[in-house]
Order: sequence, then C-alpha cells, then structure tokens
Amino acid sequence: QVRLVESAGGIVQPGRSLRLSCAASGFTFGNYAMHWVRQAPGKGLEWVAVIWFDAEYKYYVDSVKGRFTISRDNSKSLLYLQMNSLRVEDTAIYYCARDGYASGLNYFGSWGRGTLVTVSS
Amino acid sequence: QSGLTQPASVSGSPGQSITISCTGTSSDITFNSVSWYQQNTGKAPKLLLYEVKNRPSGISNRFSGSQSGNTASLTISELQAEDEANYYCTSYRDDISLVFGGGTKVTVL
Repeated sequence: QVRLVESAGGIVQPGRSLRLSCAASGFTFGNYAMHWVRQAPGKGLEWVAVIWFDAEYKYYVDSVKGRFTISRDNSKSLLYLQMNSLRVEDTAIYYCARDGYASGLNYFGSWGRGTLVTVSS
Repeated sequence: QSGLTQPASVSGSPGQSITISCTGTSSDITFNSVSWYQQNTGKAPKLLLYEVKNRPSGISNRFSGSQSGNTASLTISELQAEDEANYYCTSYRDDISLVFGGGTKVTVL
C-alpha cells in the first residue's frame, strides 16, 4: 500500500534553515506529482508547494515563495522541502501528500503522518 | 486572496443526513476540481471525494458530493458516530495554487 514517511522536524530558531524529506513506497513515485501541506497548531490546512512528476514545474503558496524549495529524487523515491529564513508563522505540522496525477494541482490522494516544525527563539 | 468558505460547525443525529457547503469564486470552485478530506484529531487528513463527486476505493457511499456555481457541497447520509471529525474542502485556483476551506467540525449528537 502507499506509504509516505516524513523525516523528523524539530525546533529551529527564526531565520535559520531546515530540510524535510519524505520517503515514498508502495507505488511508482516517479509517476505522480507530490505536495507539501501544513497545519499550524489548532488551525486549518494550508497547501505549501507542488512538484510535477518530472520536477519540470514547481509552484508555491505566496507566503513561502523565495524561502522554500521543493525538490525530488525519483531514483530514491524521496521528496524534499528546503525551508530557509524560517519565521515563527511557519510553525506547523508538515504533511507530504501524493497527487492523483503526474502533473497539475489536483487533489491529495495519500498523506504521510506529518512532522512538527517549531520555529522559536 | 482568502480561502474557501465553510461553516465552522455542523451537527446532526445518528441516521440523519447533513450537508457541508464550500463557497468560492469564479477563480476556483468553477474548475470542477473540488476535493474533500476528513481529519480526525491528531491524525492526517484522508481523501473522501475528488473532482467534486468521485469516491476513492474504500470510501463509503454515504459520502457524496455536488457542485452548483461557486458552491460545492459534501453530504453525509446515515450519519454515524464515527463521522465526527473535521472536514475540509480544497480546490484549484487560477493563480496556480490549491486553496483550502477553513474546515467544518461535524458533531454527532
């Protein structure tokens, strides 16, 4: 079955960087677009970024543009989120999610369990 | 731009049907790309419906979706105690993004 496992998050100071990874199994990773979605404590869901199956296109929510970078390694079935210049408001559970298709922004067919990133001094 | 609009809470008795609305604009909902998710406390969301009304395998047919104009709806029929959770809609938006609704807490009375 589809399995998505995010790496451990952690506590990081404002302005610092953190890289998350997501290990995929149970499906052909290179055939699907992938997303990061986050959820601040006690709040709703927020889409963060998407990457096409072949990494040709990447799109981001406005609040992270220029600070976060989504990438993937299809040979290793890994998805990444490089987060730079972190802000207190980036504190959230970060979920890795698989799209229903190879390209586009469609829907989140499968989700990881999420990892908590806390930005605090 | 703000997200999609959902009621904060909806409640119903076991066996009843409830409907959760999700209102957007001509920049999003009208693309027929609305999907719905159920999230239990402390858990990851789970896909219930995609492309307005399609159910993934394993999802009960008690969950159904529809759309009219700028408003999409999720109906839960034969409400059960296990349906108590938070529900979110999402849609593609024409600024090349995905936007969520604020979430609806469903309470089974």
